[in-house]
Amino acid sequence: DGGITQSPKYLFRKEGQNVTLSCEQNLNHDAMYWYRQDPGQGLRLIYYSQIVNDFQKGDIAEGYSVSREKKESFPLTVTSAQKNPTAFYLCASSILQGLHEQFFGPGTRLTVL
Amino acid sequence: DAKTTQPPSMDCAEGRAANLPCNHSTISGNEYVYWYRQIHSQGPQYIIHGLKNNETNEMASLIITEDRKSSTLILPHATLRDTAVYYCIVRPIRGSNYKLTFGKGTLLTVNP
Repeated sequence: DGGITQSPKYLFRKEGQNVTLSCEQNLNHDAMYWYRQDPGQGLRLIYYSQIVNDFQKGDIAEGYSVSREKKESFPLTVTSAQKNPTAFYLCASSILQGLHEQFFGPGTRLTVL
Repeated sequence: DAKTTQPPSMDCAEGRAANLPCNHSTISGNEYVYWYRQIHSQGPQYIIHGLKNNETNEMASLIITEDRKSSTLILPHATLRDTAVYYCIVRPIRGSNYKLTFGKGTLLTVNP
């Protein structure tokens, strides 16, 4: 059953702590993406990766870091430098050739207390 | 700089057609129109895309005006499960920037 998984669904952290969100895909997609969504808003791109060991900053990369050591995995770390980390985080993946429709995971809702 | 303009909300009766408009007056010749939807607290779901011809799939139809400055997504027989935020997105056909730029979309509420 192919798809994208994100874990956990809900995550709570204390202010000042780093936290890593998981994203795994078994679709054999080359490209992966991280978006952030705030209440009542659209999605904003944090980071994206087109190939293993390479990634680029999106529109709001400050306070976040990523790695792409495996094709299937693209974890996102929310660091203590991120001023407003509470949000809904969405991971997506796509092929690189063609029109590369993006497939999204179920999301992780992060709350920083 | 918003590339698309959509009404913030719309209502539709169950079983009727839902017609969601989108203005993209600055669209260029190498840009597609994409539609995604997002059911509350879930990840967005791809619906359909088009360049200049009308398109239809099992989920919806996309009507693009001849000048390509606007389009309409049609859900032919809306159900309660179609209640969601619908995003109209313009993106280039080619290029190394693969990101999708999501605006606020249209909240479609299907009423029984």
